[in-house]
Amino acid sequence: EAGVAQSPRYKIIEKRQSVAFWCNPISGHATLYWYQQILGQGPKLLIQFQNNGVVDDSQLPKDRFSAERLKGVDSTLKIQPAKLEDSAVYLCASSRNTGTSGGRYQETQYFGPGTRLLVL
Amino acid sequence: DAKTTQPPSMDCAEGRAANLPCNHSTISGNEYVYWYRQIHSQGPQYIIHGLKNNETNEMASLIITEDRKSSTLILPHATLRDTAVYYCIVRVYNFNKFYFGSGTKLNVKP
Repeated sequence: EAGVAQSPRYKIIEKRQSVAFWCNPISGHATLYWYQQILGQGPKLLIQFQNNGVVDDSQLPKDRFSAERLKGVDSTLKIQPAKLEDSAVYLCASSRNTGTSGGRYQETQYFGPGTRLLVL
Repeated sequence: DAKTTQPPSMDCAEGRAANLPCNHSTISGNEYVYWYRQIHSQGPQYIIHGLKNNETNEMASLIITEDRKSSTLILPHATLRDTAVYYCIVRVYNFNKFYFGSGTKLNVKP
């Protein structure tokens, strides 16, 4: 089974420029997540999709970040314009499903290798 | 937001068991404990998860206390390749949402 694919692996841009990251989840996984990981910290969830709908984007800085998953498979995360503090690793993860009511159904999240962004 | 507490770092001798503790004193009855690890420059890798009972797989064992307020991840025979940051996570009810803390940096030494 192929894992979660992400591209590019590395990106260097100047502040106020735009950048986009792409993620292809594991085949058949309905749920897709984007995380931001700042150096020395654990990953922080930015947005969660269930198929092509947004489940949670409460931590997404919507003035500059946007994400879409138009056909319920691939996803793109965009930053426009970038700030210095956006320098981080952007991780994509996928899982088969979210938990059902009662939280009994647990699904493991599988992570891609990440895109390392440096904003100068 | 993290609901877990872990020591920032630990050392372990190669070939010995590595025991990584985690405190999750506010865990709810239907919340699972997950463990992931992150090797340098890679995405987090799933290790194991559990609810009440102890769990074992090919990578590790998970021991959860009876009151569920803490757990221990055990790597039975640590190798140099087990050097990584280990995250203990409590799965948020109903949304499969993970809150990662800062994790424990495990250093396996020859």
